[in-house]
Amino acid sequence: DTAVSQTPKYLVTQMGNDKSIKCEQNLGHDTMYWYKQDSKKFLKIMFSYNNKELIINETVPNRFSPKSPDKAHLNLHINSLELGDSAVYFCASSQAVELKVTGELFFGEGSRLTVL
Amino acid sequence: QKEVEQDPGPLSVPEGAIVSLNCTYSNSAFQYFMWYRQYSRKGPELLMYTYSSGNKEDGRFTAQVDKSSKYISLFIRDSQPSDSATYLCAMPRGYSSASKIIFGSGTRLSIRP
Repeated sequence: DTAVSQTPKYLVTQMGNDKSIKCEQNLGHDTMYWYKQDSKKFLKIMFSYNNKELIINETVPNRFSPKSPDKAHLNLHINSLELGDSAVYFCASSQAVELKVTGELFFGEGSRLTVL
Repeated sequence: QKEVEQDPGPLSVPEGAIVSLNCTYSNSAFQYFMWYRQYSRKGPELLMYTYSSGNKEDGRFTAQVDKSSKYISLFIRDSQPSDSATYLCAMPRGYSSASKIIFGSGTRLSIRP
């Protein structure tokens, strides 16, 4: 059973299009995240939800809109895609109490977005 | 200046060598330090975590923290081809559900058989 699963794994699309990435975790965690990893492997947090409530919102263009229908799901919708949005987007989850002790995030396998 | 700096490599060593991976950080409030390992086309996974200064050993891996120098290291003994991956140091900014894990840019390591 995959703990954190993301779909799709690959997206190739034209500039100006809109796309969505879905994420689900079956670990029972209360916090979920979206991270963006650029071509130089730099991993940067975008958003975090705790029990469906947005708690971290980094400086991200408002073309990016996360949605958490329940604590096991976190989706990311991107409007008007730009070339600079090309990256790997990782979903992750954690249990708040454990995060303080181990700092452990559980990552999905990533969704590789290519904007042409 | 980035909060966490890491040499991107790539670093290529022969099998069996001792590997040293390093990060520096600027925020003296960081207290927890983690190392994540990321295989190609996979998500990062926690390898080791440590609190405050000192060493922590887990099998062939040793994590070392020097808070006075704001410098952390990961040593891999008897390196194996299966250790080939990108290693990211990470530190949480804050200790609640709203804490942000700040990652280094990762060092790509290749172990030659």
